[in-house]
Amino acid sequence: ELKVEQNPLFLSMQEGKNYTIYCNYSTTSDRLYWYRQDPGKSLESLFVLLSNGAVKQEGRLMASLDTKARLSTLHITAAVHDLSATYFCAVGQGNQFYFGTGTSLTVIP
Amino acid sequence: GAVVSQHPSWVICKSGTSVKIECRSLDFQATTMFWYRQFPKQSLMLMATSNEGSKATYEQGVEKDKFLINHASLTLSTLTVTSAHPEDSSFYICSARGLAYEQYFGPGTRLTVT
Repeated sequence: ELKVEQNPLFLSMQEGKNYTIYCNYSTTSDRLYWYRQDPGKSLESLFVLLSNGAVKQEGRLMASLDTKARLSTLHITAAVHDLSATYFCAVGQGNQFYFGTGTSLTVIP
Repeated sequence: GAVVSQHPSWVICKSGTSVKIECRSLDFQATTMFWYRQFPKQSLMLMATSNEGSKATYEQGVEKDKFLINHASLTLSTLTVTSAHPEDSSFYICSARGLAYEQYFGPGTRLTVT
């Protein structure tokens, strides 16, 4: 069974700082997704990464994929309070998604 | 864009009763839908894959007789929690498969069993 691990699980960072969330997965896949979840809400799609070396950026968030290392990163630049949420990566295999453990991000003013 | 709705958004029921949750794809047809369960501060766990016109495929450890899934049309899948107990209280999220293996997630249903 495909396993997906994220770290850190919890992240508290000051506004204006940079940080990276890591997503490791155990078996080969060429589809990697990043989602944001606010408390009590469903998932909001952030990025879809479909090939080795893919890099996508939206605002202060940038995601990358290294399929050889089975690693994706979500980099946060100059964090702001509005980015506080839980971030999940998910790996696609066939029809199914396998979700990571989630990273709870709190941005402190 | 593709929109998936769920109904109800929240429900409270008494122990021993059954609850039905609907998942609809509003502007596209979905031959495959997925049901997830999420406990507080935990990740999403896939419960079952629902295919239109055929039986659902359940993940290991999910009781198929307790969580009944019906996917009778290309836009509707239902999850019925039978004889609900407090430990079934959770956030249930459905998703519908789109093109190129994308999944579109519904807003979720919060179930509380008293």
